[in-house]
Amino acid sequence: AQKITQTQPGMFVQEKEAVTLDCTYDTSDQSYGLFWYKQPSSGEMIFLIYQGSYDEQNATEGRYSLNFQKARKSANLVISASQLGDSAMYFCAMRVNNAGNMLTFGGGTRLMVKP
Amino acid sequence: DADVTQTPRNRITKTGKRIMLECSQTKGHDRMYWYRQDPGLGLRLIYYSFDVKDINKGEISDGYSVSRQAQAKFSLSLESAIPNQTALYFCATSEAEGTGNYGYTFGSGTRLTVV
Repeated sequence: AQKITQTQPGMFVQEKEAVTLDCTYDTSDQSYGLFWYKQPSSGEMIFLIYQGSYDEQNATEGRYSLNFQKARKSANLVISASQLGDSAMYFCAMRVNNAGNMLTFGGGTRLMVKP
Repeated sequence: DADVTQTPRNRITKTGKRIMLECSQTKGHDRMYWYRQDPGLGLRLIYYSFDVKDINKGEISDGYSVSRQAQAKFSLSLESAIPNQTALYFCATSEAEGTGNYGYTFGSGTRLTVV
């Protein structure tokens, strides 16, 4: 069975600073994908970034980057130059390629950006 | 129009009532999913469907049933609602195969309260 762990229930960051949200995962499969989603107070799920298990380089999307350490089974999200609009819940998720494409989610981290 | 539409957006119902949450999509995806979100637990899979004739239980299917009326429609029913089914419910779709992020698309969510 797959498992995603997010150990930070809540975090504060000062506006314009960088912040790292932690995510560790557990799977015995070699082929999988890792995702980060943002959920603002309005409730919708916004896709941020994706990393495949065979991708050699860390994924980046604008101010978001995924620090993928395969041996440690970690997939931390780094947000550079935090903005007030980054205040939200953030979910890490995993898809195992041989297990039907379902996403398994972590419990989430609430990020609060201070002005 | 949204790619994945959930109705209703909000619903308050009484214990013991039957309620149906509806989901329709214009993505053309074969795979559809129902998740529920609870604080601290992230999103958990209730049911998933790979096509009209293929429906499968997820992690927390007890107390729920589903119907895949067409490729584009996937409904979730609570046969006899109970207060601990109060949650935010998401419908999602994805591609069946491919590389990368499989095109997961989430609806806006249905906030259900059982009193």
